[in-house]
Order: sequence, then structure tokens, then C-alpha cells
Amino acid sequence: DAGVIQSPRHEVTEMGQEVTLRCKPISGHDYLFWYRQTMMRGLELLIYFNNNVPIDDSGMPEDRFSAKMPNASFSTLKIQPSEPRDSAVYFCASSLGETQYFGPGTRLLVL
Amino acid sequence: AQSVTQLGSHVSVSEGALVLLRCNYSSSVPPYLFWYVQYPNQGLQLLLKYTTGATLVKGINGFEAEFKKSETSFHLTKPSAHMSDAAEYFCAVSDRGGGFKTIFGAGTRLFVKA
Repeated sequence: DAGVIQSPRHEVTEMGQEVTLRCKPISGHDYLFWYRQTMMRGLELLIYFNNNVPIDDSGMPEDRFSAKMPNASFSTLKIQPSEPRDSAVYFCASSLGETQYFGPGTRLLVL
Repeated sequence: AQSVTQLGSHVSVSEGALVLLRCNYSSSVPPYLFWYVQYPNQGLQLLLKYTTGATLVKGINGFEAEFKKSETSFHLTKPSAHMSDAAEYFCAVSDRGGGFKTIFGAGTRLFVKA
């Protein structure tokens, strides 16, 4: 299995631009999680889905952030407009049970 | 609400020495407990987990952890550190009935000296 796939691996953008991060979970997994990791705040859960339905989005920092899961094999996390404080590593993880499998992350830098 | 506290943001040991990374949790229901490891520029990967049964859990790379309910602890140990163990380690807890929402600790960075 290829594992969780995230794209792009690195993204540099300017403040105010729209950013879209993509995730392909492991086939057959029914949970998908989006996390943000920074030095200051550690690993934060932003949102998670079960069977493509958002279950808990209480970690989404503000309305500039949105996430979708149109089907079982694809999810996006969008930031519009982006701000410098959004700079972080964003991880996607999927699971079938209690163990989560993480992707390699997308390193986002907003200038 | 669940929470995880990792004692010590940085731990330094000599190669061949005992590794002990401390984790305490809070949960109102019997938890699932995990240790994940993160190597530089990579995602987290599971080291070991406790779900039920034997309280001493063995994981990959010679690590093990013991679930102590009375102490609400799940400390990670390895008898002899290797240079390749240098990484960041995260303790995590999830609620059995909570849709596998997992709360991660702040992480402990392990340094191994030659």
C-alpha cells in the first residue's frame, strides 16, 4: 500500500492567496483527520471525517479554513485568504480503527 | 474531556543508556493509549498502543510501555538507546466510544549522545 498521500509537499504563497492542500487516504479507511503542527502549538486536530461526513470541526481556527471530502479517496483543506500565521506543517491521517496512519505532511509558508 | 501530559519537552541520553519518556493522561472512560514517533521531515508513525488486556505493551525498535491505571500513566521505555532513536515522541489518548478522536501530547524530543 502506498500509504497516505499528500500534495503538495511544500507550498510557498503570499498573504491573501488561496491555498489548497490535498490528501488521499489509505484505501478502505473510513476515518480521515487533518492536523496542523507548529512549534508553538504542537499538533492540533483541525477536523475529522467518518465515511466522508465531517464529525468534528471544532479545531478549525476560523472561517478562512474549510475542508471537504467529496469521496472516500480524496479530501481537501482550503485556506482563503491565507495569512502568515497559517505557516505550519499540515498532516492528513486516516484510520480504520484506533490507529492513525499519517501522511508525510505539507509544509506551508505564507509570506 | 481527555488530556495528555508529557513530562519533559527534551530528554538527552547516552547511547546504550536507558530511555524513559513520561506520559500521564486524563480520561473519564477506559482509554486507548498510544506512542507515536516522528523522525525529521516525516509524519508520525505508531510505535505501540494499549487497547485492552496485558498492561505491558511491546512495540517496534525495542520500545515498550506499561499502562498503569492507578497512576494514570503510560511511560515509554527502552533498555538501551541507539543513535537511530533520536526523534520526537508523542503520547496520545483516544476515547473508545469517541469516534477515535485522538488527543496528542506536546511531544518529547529525544537526543542520543555518542
